[in-house]
Amino acid sequence: EDKVVQSPLSLVVHEGDTVTLNCSYEVTNFRSLLWYKQEKKAPTFLFMLTSSGIEKKSGRLSSILDKKELFSILNITATQTGDSAIYLCAVPGANAGGTSYGKLTFGQGTILTVHP
Amino acid sequence: GAGVSQSPSNKVTEKGKDVELRCDPISGHTALYWYRQSLGQGLEFLIYFQGNSAPDKSGLPSDRFSAERTGGSVSTLTIQRTQQEDSAVYLCASSFGPRPEREQFFGPGTRLTVL
Repeated sequence: EDKVVQSPLSLVVHEGDTVTLNCSYEVTNFRSLLWYKQEKKAPTFLFMLTSSGIEKKSGRLSSILDKKELFSILNITATQTGDSAIYLCAVPGANAGGTSYGKLTFGQGTILTVHP
Repeated sequence: GAGVSQSPSNKVTEKGKDVELRCDPISGHTALYWYRQSLGQGLEFLIYFQGNSAPDKSGLPSDRFSAERTGGSVSTLTIQRTQQEDSAVYLCASSFGPRPEREQFFGPGTRLTVL
């Protein structure tokens, strides 16, 4: 069974701080790893990572994957109060035949709180 | 609409009653997923549809849970004889196809409270 573990479970910082969120995974057939941001109810897509060592970047957010050590990190620099949210890491599953499809296994999430 | 919509947004019910939750995916999206998020937990997969068929129902927690999809579009998740442990936010997502490279777009969810 696929497994995703995130750490820390919660994090409180002040505006301007830099944070690093961690995600480790165990999957039968790895295809990709995804990061989502959940502010109220609907998670919104941030990044999809498929290759080791290639950083994906969007503004102050960046993410990288290590397929050898089976983990990913999400960095947020110069945090703002609007970054307060739950950050979710997920991996797509694969059926018994090895064909992957979009069923996502999520980690518990990291609750980030940014104080002014 | 442009996004995934779900109804109702909130549902309060008494233990033992049946509830129906509805999901309208983005037009043209063939894959549809239901997830459940309990308080303080990550998202838990329930069921996946490709068109009107459900190749993977492995996440449904009990036989009180069922789902259907008609016309390759709207899906309904039904919970019979609700229990307090069913209280959660039920999220629906859709994508162009089932491949994991296809981004899933999530709806706003239905918050179910079973008293």
